[in-house]
Amino acid sequence: DGGITQSPKYLFRKEGQNVTLSCEQNLNHDAMYWYRQDPGQGLRLIYYSQIVNDFQKGDIAEGYSVSREKKESFPLTVTSAQKNPTAFYLCASRTDNQPQHFGDGTRLSIL
Amino acid sequence: AQSVTQPDIHITVSEGASLELRCNYSYGATPYLFWYVQSPGQGLQLLLKYFSGDTLVQGIKGFEAEFKRSQSSFNLRKPSVHWSDAAEYFCAVAPMDFNKFYFGSGTKLNVKP
Repeated sequence: DGGITQSPKYLFRKEGQNVTLSCEQNLNHDAMYWYRQDPGQGLRLIYYSQIVNDFQKGDIAEGYSVSREKKESFPLTVTSAQKNPTAFYLCASRTDNQPQHFGDGTRLSIL
Repeated sequence: AQSVTQPDIHITVSEGASLELRCNYSYGATPYLFWYVQSPGQGLQLLLKYFSGDTLVQGIKGFEAEFKRSQSSFNLRKPSVHWSDAAEYFCAVAPMDFNKFYFGSGTKLNVKP
């Protein structure tokens, strides 16, 4: 079945470390997105990519970085510059003028 | 600027009762509108979408939503709620280029037995 796979489900980071969250899709979608979800704040857009080798900052890009070297992959790195990284991270993708499809998320916690 | 408001943070209904979740949007043109549902620790699942045409749209799990242009609203309804409907619900709007989606802050639904 086609879908979006986010890994790992749970991730722990020590202070000062960078961590990378994986997002892979086999839906052949062109666009991919990363959101951060905090209680009571809905979804906030971190980065998005419309095509391979191109991406744009969302509303809260500071402290995060991404790459889009392959159509099916859009990894998110949470850098040590992100002062409050504990959150639930959601990856999504879409094609043409269709709704976004979401992965099951990665919960990042600080040790 | 586009924005989505879900005025109710929490709603509790009894099983079997009807449900209406409110969503208001701010957008210059007719937007594309969506409702998603999220169970704890999971991603978002699409319930329904409105692109154009009939303003009453049917979705999965017995949900429907009505687009009212004059009120800039897209409220979600269900005639009879089941305990399995307990989840968080998000309204979203997308502009015509679909580049970015704008999500409301969500409404958490509790269902009393």
